[in-house]
Amino acid sequence: GALVYQYPRRTICKSGTSMRMECQAVGFQATSVAWYRQSPQKTFELIALSTVNSAIKYEQNFTQEKFPISHPNLSFSSMTVLNAYLEDRGLYLCGAREGTGAGNTLYFGEGSRLIVV
Amino acid sequence: LAKTTQPPSMEAYEGQEVNVSCSHTNIATSEYIYWYRQVPHQGPQFIIQGYKDYVVNEVASLFISADRKLSTLSLPWVSLRDAAVYYCIVTDRAQVVGQLTFGRGTRLQVYA
Repeated sequence: GALVYQYPRRTICKSGTSMRMECQAVGFQATSVAWYRQSPQKTFELIALSTVNSAIKYEQNFTQEKFPISHPNLSFSSMTVLNAYLEDRGLYLCGAREGTGAGNTLYFGEGSRLIVV
Repeated sequence: LAKTTQPPSMEAYEGQEVNVSCSHTNIATSEYIYWYRQVPHQGPQFIIQGYKDYVVNEVASLFISADRKLSTLSLPWVSLRDAAVYYCIVTDRAQVVGQLTFGRGTRLQVYA
């Protein structure tokens, strides 16, 4: 079945330092990958969307300079949170869309939790 | 204007059937209905999706009203592991990634 793995599950970093997180789609061809952040208040924000043959598109309030994404292929994606501060805390979720077959379902990983101290 | 409306919380005992409703009165003809659930400290888990009528898989059933303005997720024989926040999402199937708007969801509490 379709699975999405994220690593690390949890990171504690000092304010002003950076955190890199990885996302791997297993068992399916992911034509699109999206990074979300779920705040401590449980609201979801889309950070960026990457679709095959298209440039990575960042949502308002999120920039490549702050959240650079590397995307060598659509089965693997990594994102870094640069100069993390308290407002960057949250659960960072990677969602990969299954691009073949009948399903257009978005599968999420278990998330990478960022704690800033 | 919210795209979906769900009850904020529900309670059930183990072994009961639970029906979580979702209202989507402005659903467009191109939009599908997706259900996810999320347990603490984990990402949302896909449960089921549908367009109309009735859909069933090994986890749940999805009933969609004839006018598609209301859907009901049915969980048979809930257990403690089914305690989670359940999200109903309406989106264009071609735009699933990046267009998922999560509301507050329905928090399901299950008692032994």
